[in-house]
This record gives sequence, structure tokens and C-alpha cells, in this order.
Amino acid sequence: AQSVSQHNHHVILSEAASLELGCNYSYGGTVNLFWYVQYPGQHLQLLLKYFSGDPLVKGIKGFEAEFIKSKFSFNLRKPSVQWSDTAEYFCAVKSAGNNRKLIWGLGTSLAVNP
Amino acid sequence: DAGVIQSPRHEVTEMGQEVTLRCKPISGHNSLFWYRQTMMRGLELLIYFNNNVPIDDSGMPEDRFSAKMPNASFSTLKIQPSEPRDSAVYFCASSRQGGGEKLFFGSGTQLSVL
Repeated sequence: AQSVSQHNHHVILSEAASLELGCNYSYGGTVNLFWYVQYPGQHLQLLLKYFSGDPLVKGIKGFEAEFIKSKFSFNLRKPSVQWSDTAEYFCAVKSAGNNRKLIWGLGTSLAVNP
Repeated sequence: DAGVIQSPRHEVTEMGQEVTLRCKPISGHNSLFWYRQTMMRGLELLIYFNNNVPIDDSGMPEDRFSAKMPNASFSTLKIQPSEPRDSAVYFCASSRQGGGEKLFFGSGTQLSVL
């Protein structure tokens, strides 16, 4: 069965620090990969996604993620975080094709201290 | 566009009572998803509809849970009878086929079953 693992449950950083949140999945076929973000008091929204092509994808607010197929990973990065990046980050995977079912990681809570 | 609209925002009820959660997807979206979010299990897909038809309800925990989508602009998730372990945040999300799989989430319903 497909599963998604996010290694860090809680991350605390100071402003301007670099961020990398790990995401690994288990599925042998072609996948579509997503990162969603949930800011405090708000609903989930898409940060970035990978379907095909360049494995380094750029998202909103300076975030990027790299798909490494050999490692089954899709880590999220940002070179310099801001206080406003404080949020919960979710990695999600679905098998490519018509199946619409996303498999979600448990999320990583990021707190950025000003 | 008002986005995905869920009601109520908060629901507190006693064990054994019936609970009905409501969702209005974004106009023009033809897929609708019901999710449950808890600290222990993260985001779980309960059921999703394509063009008002339930496609995958394998995530529905048990027969106490049921979901309907009588038309393209309305869906309900019902729990009868409710139990304390059903306490969670329930999210509804919608997407448009061919829209790059981007999910638009509602603000969620915080359910507490006492």
C-alpha cells in the first residue's frame, strides 16, 4: 500500500535560516507529488506540485521541492524562512492516472521565531 | 468566488446524536472530497465523488458514516450515531478535472463528540 512519511514532526527555526522538510513515499509506479501548507487558522492550500519534467519544482513564496526518484523523496526547501512561514506543511502523493486519491503525510509543524 | 464553503464551523454534540456536515464546492468543480484530520492519523480521505457519483469510499471508517452528493453544488457527511472517537476536523475539498489536481479546501468543521 502507498504511504507517505514526513520525518520531522516539529521544526523550529530562526528567521533567515534555511529550511528542508523531508518527505518519502512508498510506491513503485509513476506518481504525482504535492506539498500543501496550512497557515494558522486557515485552510489547506497548494504550495507546489510535481507531475513530470524538471524534478526541481518552484512553488509559491520562494519554496521549491526536488523529486529524487531513486530515493522516493520529494523534500521541500526554502533558502531563507520568514516568520510568516510558520504553518503546518503536508506532503501528499497519488498514483499517476485517473485515480484522484491522495495519500497524505502526517504533516510537519514549522515555527519560525522572529 | 467564495471558495469551498463548509458548515457548521464548529459542532459540539453528545455521543449517540446524529451529526450532519455540509459542503458547497466551488462552482464548476466536478470532484469533491471529504477528509478527516486528527493529530494521530493526520489527513485521511474518507470518500470522494466525481460528477456527484461516489468513486472511492474505502476511507469511510464504518457504517455509521455516510456521504451524499445530491447535486453538483452540495454534499453532506453524516455520522449516526456519533462517538467520542469521531472528534476531529472534517475538511471538504473540491477540484476540477483537468485542473492539475489542485485541491481547494474549505475551512473545515471542528467536531467534538462528548
